[in-house]
Amino acid sequence: DGGITQSPKYLFRKEGQNVTLSCEQNLNHDAMYWYRQDPGQGLRLIYYSQIVNDFQKGDIAEGYSVSREKKESFPLTVTSAQKNPTAFYLCASSIGMPGHQPQHFGDGTRLSIL
Amino acid sequence: AQKITQTQPGMFVQEKEAVTLDCTYDTSDPSYGLFWYKQPSSGEMIFLIYQGSYDQQNATEGRYSLNFQKARKSANLVISASQLGDSAMYFCAMREGSGGFKTIFGAGTRLFVKA
Repeated sequence: DGGITQSPKYLFRKEGQNVTLSCEQNLNHDAMYWYRQDPGQGLRLIYYSQIVNDFQKGDIAEGYSVSREKKESFPLTVTSAQKNPTAFYLCASSIGMPGHQPQHFGDGTRLSIL
Repeated sequence: AQKITQTQPGMFVQEKEAVTLDCTYDTSDPSYGLFWYKQPSSGEMIFLIYQGSYDQQNATEGRYSLNFQKARKSANLVISASQLGDSAMYFCAMREGSGGFKTIFGAGTRLFVKA
């Protein structure tokens, strides 16, 4: 079955530590996204990528970094500069065009500070 | 700037009744798409329905329909014959035609279906 796989499901970060969240898709989608969701709130866009080796900052990119070396993979690194990283992180992908295609989401990663 | 507003933090509905979840949006782009997603307590996001700005008719998908009022910039989700499994968070989202692939989401509405 095609889909998006996020790992790990739960992740704990120590002070001053960088952690990387994995996102892999086998849908052959061009575009991939990372969202942050805080309790009881909507999704906020961190980064998105329309094509391999290219990505753009979303609304809350500070303290995060991404790479897109392969079409299937879009890992997100939460750096020590992100002072409040505790949240639910969702990865998504979509066909590049046309614009009416919905995003497909992974099951998410819950990140907490130790 | 594009914006999505969902004014109902929580809604209750009796099983088997219909419910409307509100969504208003703001954009200056004449070409845009509107999406509704469902998020159960497990966390995954499930696509429900899509409405394009140039679509003449309201979108329907099974028990879901979208009440699209373009002049009022509203795209309300109607769920008919509510089921207990419909209890979840519901998010309205918009993608502008000129904005590439960027999609913004509303704050969501939590729906509770009562037996």
